Amino acid sequence: EIVMTQSPAALSASPGERATLSCRASQSVGSNLAWYQQKPGQAPRLLINGASIRATDIPARFSGSGSGTEFTLTITSLQSEDFAVYYCQQYIRWPWTFGQGTKVEIK
Amino acid sequence: EVQLVESGGNLVQPGGSLRLSCAASGFTVSSTYMSWVRQASGKGLEWVSVLYSDGTIYYADSVKDRFTISRDDSKNTLFLQMNSLRAEDTAVYFCARGRKDSGGWAFLDYWGQGTLVTVSS
Repeated sequence: EIVMTQSPAALSASPGERATLSCRASQSVGSNLAWYQQKPGQAPRLLINGASIRATDIPARFSGSGSGTEFTLTITSLQSEDFAVYYCQQYIRWPWTFGQGTKVEIK
Repeated sequence: EVQLVESGGNLVQPGGSLRLSCAASGFTVSSTYMSWVRQASGKGLEWVSVLYSDGTIYYADSVKDRFTISRDDSKNTLFLQMNSLRAEDTAVYFCARGRKDSGGWAFLDYWGQGTLVTVSS
């Protein structure tokens, strides 16, 4: 199975700062990479598909990049509602696999 | 508006069975991929199973031969029959809709709020 590794495990930042989250795949997934945001007690919400395509109603401060095995989710100017856990997921091969998550915390 | 509402979660003893339901509205479950994903308390997301519109099914190795995914087109509902339950199956179970991108690959664009399954004696 394809192993997805996210870094860092946790990130502390202040509102208005930039956050950069990384995701690495154990083998190439092309651009078949999604990012999800999850807040406590809530379902995951799709942010990005195709490595860089923002989902409907996702603010422009969220951007995704990368292909193959290295991917990045960037949140420019963090807002209070952005503090959450973020997961990457590959959907090129079964079983679909998720990273272990990056928790973005308020500094 | 797309909505997914899971139900059926409960406390069950090891070795027992449970059937989860996911009622969909705003789209037709038979027209797309539908998937189950679970999350143990304080842990990450684990994909469980998928049902394609053409009836193709895949399972995670951890649930193969114990869980069965299915749908009822007349009720627009997805199901997960879970047998031989183990303590490690304890989790919140989410159903999610798959949507194909321009390249034909499916990702999960809408998720339900989840239903809690607890396996304990």
